[in-house]
Amino acid sequence: QSALTQPASVSGSPGQSITISCTGTSSDIGGYNYVSWYQQHPGKAPKLMIYNVSNRPSGVSTRFSGSKSGNTASLTISGLQAEDEADYYCTSYRRSSTRVGFGGGTKLTVL
Amino acid sequence: EVQLLESGGGLVQPGGSLRLSCAASGFTFSAYAMSWVRQAPGKGLEWVSTISGSGGDTYYADSVRGRFTISRDNSKNTLSLQMNSLRPEDTAIYYCAKCPLGPGGTVVFDYWGPGTLVTVSS
Repeated sequence: QSALTQPASVSGSPGQSITISCTGTSSDIGGYNYVSWYQQHPGKAPKLMIYNVSNRPSGVSTRFSGSKSGNTASLTISGLQAEDEADYYCTSYRRSSTRVGFGGGTKLTVL
Repeated sequence: EVQLLESGGGLVQPGGSLRLSCAASGFTFSAYAMSWVRQAPGKGLEWVSTISGSGGDTYYADSVRGRFTISRDNSKNTLSLQMNSLRPEDTAIYYCAKCPLGPGGTVVFDYWGPGTLVTVSS
């Protein structure tokens, strides 16, 4: 059972925008601005896409953006491309003995 | 260019031990916290442990605390994970990851190695 809740799957057509949600509690997402998002293609290591809620690392496309409202964080991908098809994971700092929580992952399908 | 390369994975019996290593290059190793994150076959990611740049602070997930020990050798740019009392549920790909500097840095993983597979089975 994951610490954070994500939808198992989302889909969209090329050129469209999609949003993946990540729901936690006031002890993690709601209490801190330390939410990150990772992209993972099959058989590959994860790649950091967003950190500290809305910051993009150098080299990550501006089509990827992050936000937070209350206990829910969101990753939005605009102008969907075939290469965006992957699994996406959110994480957050947690005020807990296990200080980092991951979401269960969301499989993005580009139709 | 940041490079991380894990080694030491393999097949081990339940109750056994294994030591993973991660060779780092391309950055000032001692300046950055480092972490281990694992992924069971077909499952999601799970944070395992983090160590500060100096090695003076360590953090563990509840699922491994008391069984796993994270350490680093800044003279050799190497991160390690000593895993004892291994259980079948520890079976996973183990990734070494670098943490960036700045606020919240120790809970962010900006570079990852390709991973090493640990299988716990009789």
